Amino acid sequence: AQSVAQPEDQVNVAEGNPLTVKCTYSVSGNPYLFWYVQYPNRGLQFLLKYITGDNLVKGSYGFEAEFNKSQTSFHLKKPSALVSDSALYFCAVRDMTGNNRLAFGKGNQVVVIP
Amino acid sequence: GAGVSQSPSNKVTEKGKDVELRCDPISGHTALYWYRQSLGQGLEFLIYFQGNSAPDKSGLPSDRFSAERTGGSVSTLTIQRTQQEDSAVYLCASSSDRGVYGYTFGSGTRLTVV
Repeated sequence: AQSVAQPEDQVNVAEGNPLTVKCTYSVSGNPYLFWYVQYPNRGLQFLLKYITGDNLVKGSYGFEAEFNKSQTSFHLKKPSALVSDSALYFCAVRDMTGNNRLAFGKGNQVVVIP
Repeated sequence: GAGVSQSPSNKVTEKGKDVELRCDPISGHTALYWYRQSLGQGLEFLIYFQGNSAPDKSGLPSDRFSAERTGGSVSTLTIQRTQQEDSAVYLCASSSDRGVYGYTFGSGTRLTVV
């Protein structure tokens, strides 16, 4: 079964500094990979996805993520963090076989310090 | 509708009571998913509906939990004889493509069992 690991509970970063949120995955075959963001008292919002093609994927709000097959990673990055980026970030994976559900990591709380 | 709608947004119930949570997916989306989000636990898959196929119930934690989807649209998640450990945010999502390109989530129902 597919699974996702987000090793850090919380990521603290100063406003204007680069932001990285780590994600590694386990899946049979090739993965579909996703990042979602959750603001307080809201549902999850889609940020970006990797299905195939270029390993560097660009998404909403200036975020990007790099698919690394050899390291089974899909880390989320933003060159310059904003205070408004403070939220809960979830990585998710789906395999390409018959299992049609996404497996989510436990989430990372990002705190951007003014 | 324009998005996935869930109701109620908040529900406080007494231990032992039954509750029903409603999800109205995006019109035309054939797939509907229920997840549970507990503090510090990430998203736990509960159940998945795809068109007229039999639902994937493999994530339901006990026989007190059930769900149905009427007419391929609205879904109701029912929890019987609620327990305090059922307290969580219940998230519904829908997709048009078996989730290949990701899901659209509702804002969730926060259930508190007292």
